Amino acid sequence: NAGVTQTPKFRVLKTGQSMTLLCAQDMNHEYMYWYRQDPGMGLRLIHYSVGEGTTAKGEVPDGYNVSRLKKQNFLLGLESAAPSQTSVYFCASRFGTGYTDTQYFGPGTRLTVL
Amino acid sequence: RKEVEQDPGPFNVPEGATVAFNCTYSNSASQSFFWYRQDCRKEPKLLMSVYSSGNEDGRFTAQLNRASQYISLLIRDSKLSDSATYLCVVNPLAGSARQLTFGSGTQLTVLP
Repeated sequence: NAGVTQTPKFRVLKTGQSMTLLCAQDMNHEYMYWYRQDPGMGLRLIHYSVGEGTTAKGEVPDGYNVSRLKKQNFLLGLESAAPSQTSVYFCASRFGTGYTDTQYFGPGTRLTVL
Repeated sequence: RKEVEQDPGPFNVPEGATVAFNCTYSNSASQSFFWYRQDCRKEPKLLMSVYSSGNEDGRFTAQLNRASQYISLLIRDSKLSDSATYLCVVNPLAGSARQLTFGSGTQLTVLP
């Protein structure tokens, strides 16, 4: 049971390049989330999904797109990277939305946009 | 006003000390609460849930004050391995997929 995994772990992009971050979970969780974390800003929700085939915008969705074609995978895309997207990206999953349901995070992807 | 506010610290304490963190939340409808721990350059991990009556897990004690809308975390007999950032997490409304709201974290360094 690997939990939540993310690929790649590190990436350097030039401004204008595109890339896709992959998140995979093997816990059969319905809910999946993408966050970015910047110094002093805490975790900010980019997009989320409540189940296979669904996606929704979070707090900071501009410049990102997502897809959830399979229940276990949640992809985050950057179509035209900008230096402001330099950040650490965390994926998380959650079984349900009950009072005690917590989120499990992947190890993160460190992205630098030059 | 941020939905969840924490003192960013840093808190620098000697080994064996007792340290307490507070967190305030703005949404009075918040239903459940958690403390997560995040080590440097790692992902956040659940430390403990916070129950209305307060709860303890070894050296860690969590308290909830709904009237004042704050949560606390007490660490007794601090260890070097407790050095991390502690995130206060609030669930404002059960049933919503995006409801977990994270504070920015309080940084703790335990000194030898």
